[in-house]
Amino acid sequence: DQQVKQNSPSLSVQEGRISILNCDYTNSMFDYFLWYKKYPAEGPTFLISISSIKDKNEDGRFTVFLNKSSKHLSLHIVPSQPGDSAVYFCAASVGYGQNFVFGPGTRLSVLP
Amino acid sequence: EPEVTQTPSHQVTQMGQEVILRCVPISNHLYFYWYRQILGQKVEFLVSFYNNEISEKSEIFDDQFSVERPDGSNFTLKIRSTKLEDSAMYFCASSELGDRGTNYGYTFGSGTRLTVV
Repeated sequence: DQQVKQNSPSLSVQEGRISILNCDYTNSMFDYFLWYKKYPAEGPTFLISISSIKDKNEDGRFTVFLNKSSKHLSLHIVPSQPGDSAVYFCAASVGYGQNFVFGPGTRLSVLP
Repeated sequence: EPEVTQTPSHQVTQMGQEVILRCVPISNHLYFYWYRQILGQKVEFLVSFYNNEISEKSEIFDDQFSVERPDGSNFTLKIRSTKLEDSAMYFCASSELGDRGTNYGYTFGSGTRLTVV
């Protein structure tokens, strides 16, 4: 039972364009969400978070949108850079400080 | 920037042997975690640790696994009798209690690749 889904296993985007990574969840109790980036042979690196009291959070080139009614969140990267090429994990938890359920990841390739 | 340190980076062990994976979390963090990622699969939660005890664990974390914070700085994961299917990348993470409205998440170590042969 996949509580956190990332239905696109891979995504290719041209440098300078927008990358949109999507994530859906099934557990309506989730109220804290994170996006992580992971390079091969390294641990996940925290990117941005959002709690259920918000519907948008922005940090530099990264913006996360949360739609609680559709249980959907997305990560926008503008403009995309070749260094953004990595696997992106969406993760959700019930309450802060609790364990996260990770999605399977989406591999982003930013083409020069 | 503070980081979570994991050692060794790669460990090869024979099936049935005990292994201990070591982690040094960030010093002012209060919550500690172990995750693993089997090659080609998603990152899975194993266990969380707070106030010197396990706060939550997944069904993967069976009696073969244990965690310890032996000296106030290290956080270890022990696998008593390794199986082939324990081969994976094991990630340690730590976090501090923070405002949920701000950009805050976990800090992960770079992982230990465990190969059971």
